[in-house]
Amino acid sequence: NAGVTQTPKFQVLKTGQSMTLQCAQDMNHEYMSWYRQDPGMGLRLIHYSVGAGITDQGEVPNGYNVSRSTTEDFPLRLLSAAPSQTSVYFCASSGFTTGVYSGNTIYFGEGSWLTVV
Amino acid sequence: AQKVTQAQTEISVVEKEDVTLDCVYETRDTTYYLFWYKQPPSGELVFLIRRNSFDEQNEISGRYSWNFQKSTSSFNFTITASQVVDSAVYFCALSAPRGTSNTGKLIFGQGTTLQVKP
Repeated sequence: NAGVTQTPKFQVLKTGQSMTLQCAQDMNHEYMSWYRQDPGMGLRLIHYSVGAGITDQGEVPNGYNVSRSTTEDFPLRLLSAAPSQTSVYFCASSGFTTGVYSGNTIYFGEGSWLTVV
Repeated sequence: AQKVTQAQTEISVVEKEDVTLDCVYETRDTTYYLFWYKQPPSGELVFLIRRNSFDEQNEISGRYSWNFQKSTSSFNFTITASQVVDSAVYFCALSAPRGTSNTGKLIFGQGTTLQVKP
């Protein structure tokens, strides 16, 4: 997925450990967001940001922290991992275009598979 | 509130059959954007289409077609002459325009798993 770099792709954590999922975009998009994907539940919004220095909670924010110190980066932190956080995580970057093909353009990272044991 | 419903959890068809994936959405915004994504077994999200709410033309791309009906708040996806490579999870999603409290959020349906058998 062009423009959004998400790392790591795979990670195994022990309960109680902390880690950070990294997300970076090079499209100068205002909006960035994190989603988790669980079987049968689609993708659910964890946290999102409407610009540098501005973040807000999504549908399932508990156990996660975010910050947005620059336009490019939007890391997701798990402070004390729990088995319930075993999931696939996607970062997204979003912008708005004008002109003939105006609208909301959204790019996703390749996903991070996280297992908490 | 925004919501996307994909009532079909799983669909199984035999190759060359036509199949339609349903998507119903709810939103109070007068302008909005609808998306379809494909998630193959490899796990990445593949963008298929974006539809602006003010453009009600249906669209065809090869074997894929989309039927957008504002009157019934539906954005259905049809695959004609399905192939084994179409086997994947398909997501419908909704986003808001700039300047609203929902801007920057993408609301997903639960996804429909399509299995195409040879």
